[in-house]
Amino acid sequence: DIQMTQSPSSLSASVGDRVTITCRASQSISSYLIWYQQKPGEVPKLLIYLASSLQSGVPSRFSGSGFGTDFTLTINSLQPEDFATYYCQQSYSTPYTFGQGTKLEI
Amino acid sequence: QVQLQESGPGLVKSSETLSLTCTISGDSISSNYWSWIRQPPGKGLEWLGYIYYSGSTKYNPSLKSRVTISIDTSKNQFSLKLSSVTAADTAVYFCARLGEYSNSWYGIRAFDIWGQGTMVTVSS
Repeated sequence: DIQMTQSPSSLSASVGDRVTITCRASQSISSYLIWYQQKPGEVPKLLIYLASSLQSGVPSRFSGSGFGTDFTLTINSLQPEDFATYYCQQSYSTPYTFGQGTKLEI
Repeated sequence: QVQLQESGPGLVKSSETLSLTCTISGDSISSNYWSWIRQPPGKGLEWLGYIYYSGSTKYNPSLKSRVTISIDTSKNQFSLKLSSVTAADTAVYFCARLGEYSNSWYGIRAFDIWGQGTMVTVSS
């Protein structure tokens, strides 16, 4: 199985900040990396696919980059609604696997 | 608007079989891959498996053959069975659509539509 490791596990930030979350795959996954956002009590929401392509309707302050084993999710100018847990997921091969999550807190 | 809705018992006894159904509205079950994902309380996400309308399936080997996903195209539903459950199977179970996306170079499937999730507790 491909292991996905996110860092940090939690992150404190303020409205207006720029934050970066890292996701590392245990082997190369090309661009087959997806980011989700999950707010407490809600279902995960697709943010970014193929490492850097923004899902329709997702604000442009979200961006993704990376290829191979190292990926980043960047949120520019944090908004109050961005405080959530973020997960990366590889879609390169089954079993599909998720990172352990990064909790973004105020 | 595509919607998914899980249904099934919220309480299952240890060693028995967990059974859930996902009903799809606003989309044909014949148009995509469909998946089950679970999330233990306070923990991360685990993919359980997926099914295509043809009946083709793929499962997470970590479940050691305990999982079966089936499809009923006439009802636009797909189902999950997880046998020999233990307390470790207590989780919120989500059904999700594996939508297809692409850019200039690659294509990918991502979980783009999710059910609201249903909490299943395994009791001893």
